[in-house]
Amino acid sequence: NAGVTQTPKFQVLKTGQSMTLQCAQDMNHEYMSWYRQDPGMGLRLIHYSVGAGITDQGEVPNGYNVSRSTTEDFPLRLLSAAPSQTSVYFCASSLRAGGQLGETQYFGPGTRLLVL
Amino acid sequence: AQKVTQAQTEISVVEKEDVTLDCVYETRDTTYYLFWYKQPPSGELVFLIRRNSFDEQNEISGRYSWNFQKSTSSFNFTITASQVVDSAVYFCALCTSGTYKYIFGTGTRLKVLA
Repeated sequence: NAGVTQTPKFQVLKTGQSMTLQCAQDMNHEYMSWYRQDPGMGLRLIHYSVGAGITDQGEVPNGYNVSRSTTEDFPLRLLSAAPSQTSVYFCASSLRAGGQLGETQYFGPGTRLLVL
Repeated sequence: AQKVTQAQTEISVVEKEDVTLDCVYETRDTTYYLFWYKQPPSGELVFLIRRNSFDEQNEISGRYSWNFQKSTSSFNFTITASQVVDSAVYFCALCTSGTYKYIFGTGTRLKVLA
Protein backbone atom coordinates (compact mmCIF):
# COMPACT_ATOMS: atom_id res chain seq x y z
CA ASN A 1 0.00 0.00 0.00
CA ALA A 2 1.19 3.50 -0.84
CA GLY A 3 -0.84 4.89 2.06
CA VAL A 4 -1.89 8.51 1.69
CA THR A 5 -0.34 10.37 -1.22
CA GLN A 6 -0.43 14.07 -1.97
CA THR A 7 0.54 16.05 -5.03
CA PRO A 8 2.19 18.40 -5.65
CA LYS A 9 4.80 18.59 -2.90
CA PHE A 10 5.37 22.28 -3.45
CA GLN A 11 3.46 24.95 -5.37
CA VAL A 12 3.79 28.67 -5.93
CA LEU A 13 0.68 30.60 -6.94
CA LYS A 14 -0.11 34.19 -7.68
CA THR A 15 -2.96 35.90 -5.89
CA GLY A 16 -6.23 35.10 -7.62
CA GLN A 17 -5.10 31.89 -9.26
CA SER A 18 -6.95 28.67 -8.63
CA MET A 19 -5.56 25.21 -8.14
CA THR A 20 -6.36 21.75 -6.86
CA LEU A 21 -4.36 19.87 -4.27
CA GLN A 22 -4.64 16.15 -4.86
CA CYS A 23 -5.02 13.52 -2.16
CA ALA A 24 -5.45 9.80 -2.64
CA GLN A 25 -5.41 6.75 -0.39
CA ASP A 26 -5.37 3.07 -1.28
CA MET A 27 -6.44 1.67 2.09
CA ASN A 28 -10.21 1.74 1.44
CA HIS A 29 -10.61 4.29 4.21
CA GLU A 30 -14.02 5.88 4.64
CA TYR A 31 -12.89 9.04 6.38
CA MET A 32 -10.66 11.65 4.76
CA SER A 33 -9.76 15.15 5.85
CA TRP A 34 -7.73 18.22 4.98
CA TYR A 35 -5.74 20.31 7.43
CA ARG A 36 -3.58 23.34 7.16
CA GLN A 37 -0.55 23.85 9.37
CA ASP A 38 0.61 27.34 10.20
CA PRO A 39 3.41 28.32 12.60
CA GLY A 40 2.21 28.35 16.20
CA MET A 41 -1.31 27.23 15.29
CA GLY A 42 -1.07 23.48 15.07
CA LEU A 43 -3.23 21.70 12.52
CA ARG A 44 -6.61 23.16 11.69
CA LEU A 45 -9.32 21.18 9.96
CA ILE A 46 -10.50 22.61 6.64
CA HIS A 47 -12.96 20.01 5.32
CA TYR A 48 -13.65 16.37 5.92
CA SER A 49 -15.57 13.50 4.33
CA VAL A 50 -17.11 10.46 5.98
CA GLY A 51 -17.60 8.64 2.67
CA ALA A 52 -17.99 9.04 -1.06
CA GLY A 53 -20.45 11.82 -1.82
CA ILE A 54 -20.45 13.19 1.74
CA THR A 55 -18.39 16.20 2.80
CA ASP A 56 -18.61 18.78 5.55
CA GLN A 57 -16.83 21.88 6.78
CA GLY A 58 -14.18 21.99 9.43
CA GLU A 59 -12.80 24.89 11.40
CA VAL A 60 -11.40 27.00 8.53
CA PRO A 61 -13.35 26.19 5.32
CA ASN A 62 -13.51 29.63 3.70
CA GLY A 63 -11.76 29.83 0.35
CA TYR A 64 -11.66 26.06 -0.13
CA ASN A 65 -13.91 23.53 -1.84
CA VAL A 66 -13.89 19.76 -1.72
CA SER A 67 -15.70 16.88 -3.31
CA ARG A 68 -15.51 13.12 -2.86
CA SER A 69 -16.67 11.24 -5.91
CA THR A 70 -14.70 8.09 -5.07
CA THR A 71 -13.52 6.44 -1.86
CA GLU A 72 -9.90 6.89 -2.90
CA ASP A 73 -9.70 10.57 -3.82
CA PHE A 74 -10.35 13.76 -1.90
CA PRO A 75 -9.13 16.84 -3.78
CA LEU A 76 -8.97 20.28 -2.21
CA ARG A 77 -9.67 23.25 -4.47
CA LEU A 78 -8.52 26.79 -3.88
CA LEU A 79 -10.93 28.98 -5.77
CA SER A 80 -9.00 32.26 -5.78
CA ALA A 81 -5.71 32.01 -3.91
CA ALA A 82 -4.83 34.63 -1.33
CA PRO A 83 -1.54 35.21 0.55
CA SER A 84 -3.35 34.14 3.75
CA GLN A 85 -3.59 30.65 2.25
CA THR A 86 0.18 30.27 2.28
CA SER A 87 0.57 27.19 4.44
CA VAL A 88 1.43 23.52 4.56
CA TYR A 89 -1.55 21.33 3.71
CA PHE A 90 -1.97 17.81 4.99
CA CYS A 91 -4.46 15.21 3.89
CA ALA A 92 -5.34 12.39 6.29
CA SER A 93 -7.50 9.29 6.28
CA SER A 94 -8.86 6.74 8.71
CA LEU A 95 -10.73 3.49 8.30
CA ARG A 96 -13.99 4.88 9.59
CA ALA A 97 -15.31 8.21 10.80
CA GLY A 98 -12.94 8.96 13.63
CA GLY A 99 -15.22 10.64 16.10
CA GLN A 100 -17.48 7.64 16.32
CA LEU A 101 -14.82 5.06 16.90
CA GLY A 102 -11.66 6.99 17.61
CA GLU A 103 -9.96 5.66 14.54
CA THR A 104 -6.36 6.68 14.01
CA GLN A 105 -5.76 9.11 11.18
CA TYR A 106 -2.82 8.56 8.86
CA PHE A 107 -1.33 11.55 7.13
CA GLY A 108 0.07 12.24 3.70
CA PRO A 109 3.48 13.90 3.28
CA GLY A 110 2.03 17.40 2.88
CA THR A 111 1.91 20.09 0.21
CA ARG A 112 3.74 23.34 0.80
CA LEU A 113 1.86 26.22 -0.83
CA LEU A 114 3.17 29.74 -1.31
CA VAL A 115 0.80 32.42 -2.55
CA LEU A 116 2.47 35.62 -3.75
CA ALA B 1 -16.48 22.86 23.09
CA GLN B 2 -13.43 20.68 22.64
CA LYS B 3 -9.96 22.04 23.13
CA VAL B 4 -6.40 20.78 23.41
CA THR B 5 -3.72 22.83 25.12
CA GLN B 6 -0.01 22.23 24.79
CA ALA B 7 1.37 25.02 26.90
CA GLN B 8 5.02 24.22 26.23
CA THR B 9 5.93 25.87 22.95
CA GLU B 10 9.53 24.71 22.90
CA ILE B 11 11.67 22.53 25.16
CA SER B 12 15.43 21.99 24.96
CA VAL B 13 17.16 19.15 26.74
CA VAL B 14 20.57 17.57 26.62
CA GLU B 15 20.82 14.07 25.25
CA LYS B 16 20.02 11.32 27.79
CA GLU B 17 17.83 13.59 29.88
CA ASP B 18 14.20 12.63 30.48
CA VAL B 19 11.56 15.04 29.20
CA THR B 20 7.79 15.28 29.62
CA LEU B 21 5.50 16.94 27.13
CA ASP B 22 2.22 18.16 28.58
CA CYS B 23 -1.23 17.86 27.01
CA VAL B 24 -4.40 19.14 28.64
CA TYR B 25 -7.75 18.61 26.97
CA GLU B 26 -11.30 19.85 27.41
CA THR B 27 -14.46 18.00 26.49
CA ARG B 28 -17.85 17.34 27.99
CA ASP B 29 -18.20 13.99 26.27
CA THR B 30 -17.62 10.87 28.29
CA THR B 31 -16.38 8.93 25.26
CA TYR B 32 -13.36 10.40 23.55
CA TYR B 33 -10.00 9.48 22.11
CA LEU B 34 -6.59 11.03 22.52
CA PHE B 35 -3.62 10.81 20.20
CA TRP B 36 0.01 11.83 19.99
CA TYR B 37 1.80 12.48 16.70
CA LYS B 38 5.43 13.25 15.97
CA GLN B 39 6.54 15.62 13.21
CA PRO B 40 10.28 15.31 12.60
CA PRO B 41 12.20 17.97 10.66
CA SER B 42 11.37 16.14 7.42
CA GLY B 43 7.76 17.27 7.92
CA GLU B 44 5.67 14.12 7.88
CA LEU B 45 3.25 13.35 10.71
CA VAL B 46 3.88 10.05 12.44
CA PHE B 47 1.27 8.41 14.65
CA LEU B 48 2.57 7.45 18.11
CA ILE B 49 -0.34 6.41 20.29
CA ARG B 50 -4.12 6.31 20.64
CA ARG B 51 -5.97 6.09 23.94
CA ASN B 52 -9.71 5.94 24.67
CA SER B 53 -11.37 7.61 27.64
CA PHE B 54 -12.21 4.33 29.33
CA ASP B 55 -8.65 3.11 29.51
CA GLU B 56 -6.58 5.00 32.05
CA GLN B 57 -3.74 2.56 32.11
CA ASN B 58 -0.40 4.12 31.47
CA GLU B 59 1.46 2.81 28.47
CA ILE B 60 5.12 2.26 27.82
CA SER B 61 6.73 1.64 24.47
CA GLY B 62 10.49 1.49 24.66
CA ARG B 63 11.72 4.91 25.77
CA TYR B 64 8.25 6.42 25.34
CA SER B 65 5.56 6.43 28.01
CA TRP B 66 2.18 8.06 28.33
CA ASN B 67 0.33 9.10 31.50
CA PHE B 68 -3.43 9.53 31.11
CA GLN B 69 -5.24 11.13 34.04
CA LYS B 70 -8.93 11.88 33.63
CA SER B 71 -9.03 13.69 36.97
CA THR B 72 -6.78 16.41 35.59
CA SER B 73 -7.77 16.00 31.90
CA SER B 74 -4.18 15.37 30.96
CA PHE B 75 -2.43 13.00 28.61
CA ASN B 76 1.27 13.61 29.09
CA PHE B 77 4.09 12.07 27.09
CA THR B 78 7.49 11.24 28.56
CA ILE B 79 10.64 10.39 26.66
CA THR B 80 13.24 8.64 28.78
CA ALA B 81 16.93 9.02 27.96
CA SER B 82 16.24 11.37 25.09
CA GLN B 83 18.19 11.12 21.86
CA VAL B 84 18.93 13.61 19.10
CA VAL B 85 16.55 11.70 16.83
CA ASP B 86 13.72 12.62 19.20
CA SER B 87 14.03 16.24 18.06
CA ALA B 88 10.67 17.04 16.49
CA VAL B 89 7.39 18.80 16.99
CA TYR B 90 4.93 16.71 18.96
CA PHE B 91 1.18 17.14 18.65
CA CYS B 92 -1.56 15.99 20.97
CA ALA B 93 -5.05 15.53 19.47
CA LEU B 94 -8.58 14.80 20.66
CA CYS B 95 -11.69 13.45 19.00
CA THR B 96 -15.01 12.85 20.69
CA SER B 97 -17.78 10.40 19.95
CA GLY B 98 -20.20 13.19 19.13
CA THR B 99 -18.27 14.62 16.20
CA TYR B 100 -16.21 13.62 13.22
CA LYS B 101 -13.58 16.23 13.97
CA TYR B 102 -10.13 15.87 15.42
CA ILE B 103 -8.82 18.82 17.45
CA PHE B 104 -5.07 19.32 17.57
CA GLY B 105 -2.98 21.23 20.04
CA THR B 106 -0.50 23.81 18.82
CA GLY B 107 2.40 21.43 19.29
CA THR B 108 5.58 21.34 21.37
CA ARG B 109 8.94 21.63 19.65
CA LEU B 110 11.49 19.40 21.34
CA LYS B 111 15.17 20.01 20.75
CA VAL B 112 17.56 17.37 21.99
CA LEU B 113 21.12 18.64 22.06
CA ALA B 114 24.09 16.32 21.70
